[in-house]
Amino acid sequence: KQEVTQIPAALSVPEGENLVLNCSFTDSAIYNLQWFRQDPGKGLTSLLLIQSSQREQTSGRLNASLDKSSGRSTLYIAASQPGDSATYLCAVMDSSYKLIFGSGTRLLVRP
Amino acid sequence: EAQVTQNPRYLITVTGKKLTVTCSQNMNHEYMSWYRQDPGLGLRQIYYSMNVEVTDKGDVPEGYKVSRKEKRNFPLILESPSPNQTSLYFCASSRRWLYNSPLHFGNGTRLTVT
Repeated sequence: KQEVTQIPAALSVPEGENLVLNCSFTDSAIYNLQWFRQDPGKGLTSLLLIQSSQREQTSGRLNASLDKSSGRSTLYIAASQPGDSATYLCAVMDSSYKLIFGSGTRLLVRP
Repeated sequence: EAQVTQNPRYLITVTGKKLTVTCSQNMNHEYMSWYRQDPGLGLRQIYYSMNVEVTDKGDVPEGYKVSRKEKRNFPLILESPSPNQTSLYFCASSRRWLYNSPLHFGNGTRLTVT
């Protein structure tokens, strides 16, 4: 059974710092991996989607990588800002087309 | 504006009283799904649909029903709600699962069953 783990569970950094969020999964048979952002009381917003054949995706200050063989993905946030404070979730679509989520990393960027 | 709309946003009900949470998307998406989010358990998929009249169980389907009679709508039905179904529910859609398109989420429905 596919399991997705995110470390750390919470992270607090000063504004301007570059940071890395980690996501690991147990079964490499995936169709894609997505990174989402969730603000309190809101739904999830898709940030980046990496197909199983891709190694990375970039959008602005965000860069996500995927290493299927090792079951790992990282989300790199450059020059963090207070507006980046949110919970970040990763999710994999497994071979049964089910989406399995990690429990998230709660990020606080201090001014 | 492209969006996924869920209604209601908040719902308080009693055990056993049937309820429906509606979900509608205006993006002509083929794939739709329902999730529940609980503290310490994260987001778990309840049901998903890859197209009209095609639905399948996610990880936690017990106590829920869905239907997909039209492309835009994917209601979640609780025939006999119980307190353990108290949760935050999200509906989501994407263009086509096969094309690896990103998921768009609704703003959520907070359900309390007493």
